[in-house]
Amino acid sequence: EDQVTQSPEALRLQEGESSSLNCSYTVSGLRGLFWYRQDPGKGPEFLFTLYSAGEEKEKERLKATLTKKESFLHITAPKPEDSATYLCAVLSNSGYALNFGKGTSLLVTP
Amino acid sequence: KAGVTQTPRYLIKTRGQQVTLSCSPISGHRSVSWYQQTPGQGLQFLFEYFSETQRNKGNFPGRFSGRQFSNSRSEMNVSTLELGDSALYLCASSPSSGTAEQFFGPGTRLTVL
Repeated sequence: EDQVTQSPEALRLQEGESSSLNCSYTVSGLRGLFWYRQDPGKGPEFLFTLYSAGEEKEKERLKATLTKKESFLHITAPKPEDSATYLCAVLSNSGYALNFGKGTSLLVTP
Repeated sequence: KAGVTQTPRYLIKTRGQQVTLSCSPISGHRSVSWYQQTPGQGLQFLFEYFSETQRNKGNFPGRFSGRQFSNSRSEMNVSTLELGDSALYLCASSPSSGTAEQFFGPGTRLTVL
């Protein structure tokens, strides 16, 4: 059975303090790994898709990386507007549905 | 391009009632998936529709059902509501079934009293 575990559950950073969020996964065959951002009361907003180990993608202050067992979302010099819950999900070769982790709640204080 | 829209945004129902939620996917997208999000369980997959056919179903009781119309719009129905059905119901669309990226709507917040 596919499993996705995100850590930490919550993270508090000072503005400008870089850090990383972790997503560990177990799947029968990875079709893709996805990162989403979710603000309170809203639907998840798509950030990145990673398909194979070694792949990296960047968007503004965010950079996502992928290995065979985990993915990291690196946040460089975060700003308060980066505060949100970050969700990781996997799509396996045998499934149609995204399997989500529980998310990391990020708070960036000025 | 307009995003995924969901109606209504908020609903309050009482136990035993039934409810219908609606989702309009991004224009040109033919696959619609539904998810339930609760604080304890996170996001859980309900079902996926593609070309008016249910392609995959999550581990939810038969009280949860859905359908898709020829214009790709989708509805989900929950009958005999229970307190535990209170959640944010999210719809996601993608160009085809099993496609990588799924794009989510704002969700419908259902409260069961």
